[in-house]
Amino acid sequence: GQNIDQPTEMTATEGAIVQINCTYQTSGFNGLFWYQQHAGEAPTFLSYNVLDGLEEKGRFSSFLSRSKGYSYLLLKELQMKDSASYLCAVRTGGFKTIFGAGTRLFVKA
Amino acid sequence: EAQVTQNPRYLITVTGKKLTVTCSQNMNHEYMSWYRQDPGLGLRQIYYSMNVEVTDKGDVPEGYKVSRKEKRNFPLILESPSPNQTSLYFCASSSQTGAGGYTFGSGTRLTVV
Repeated sequence: GQNIDQPTEMTATEGAIVQINCTYQTSGFNGLFWYQQHAGEAPTFLSYNVLDGLEEKGRFSSFLSRSKGYSYLLLKELQMKDSASYLCAVRTGGFKTIFGAGTRLFVKA
Repeated sequence: EAQVTQNPRYLITVTGKKLTVTCSQNMNHEYMSWYRQDPGLGLRQIYYSMNVEVTDKGDVPEGYKVSRKEKRNFPLILESPSPNQTSLYFCASSSQTGAGGYTFGSGTRLTVV
């Protein structure tokens, strides 16, 4: 079957760095995505990786290793507004896009 | 403004009464999709469409229908809603490559009693 695993919850301190891991097993691979979702709102796109390596976008970076079926999202200089759910998603060989259940991040002062 | 527009935002209906949730995008995206989001289960794909007149089942298509007669519109139809279809629904669109990620609509909270 196809599945995406990510931790259910994480807590970090304002100003710190946090890494959210994602492992996946899918039939085919056409890209990995990270989204942010605040409570009661729609998800918003953060990053896209299709080749191995690190993609950096301001305070957010995302890493992909296709051979290991592994990705992480790195958030630097955490702010209170970063408290949200972070969703890992994979576009499969058939162009379905499947999502993990999400990681709820709590940022404390 | 580039956006995906879903309607209605909230809907309470009774079992068996046909309903349609509309979705429209103004970005000329080829790819459109419907998801439902339930606590603990994350976003699950219902149907997706690669282009006009091309649709395919996602992971949870039972009880739903879609159509893609025009590029901008992708309505979700529940012919005979049941209580287990109570959920938060999102429509999303992206370019064919998906490189820019999905743009999501604001969501439709559906309750079937």
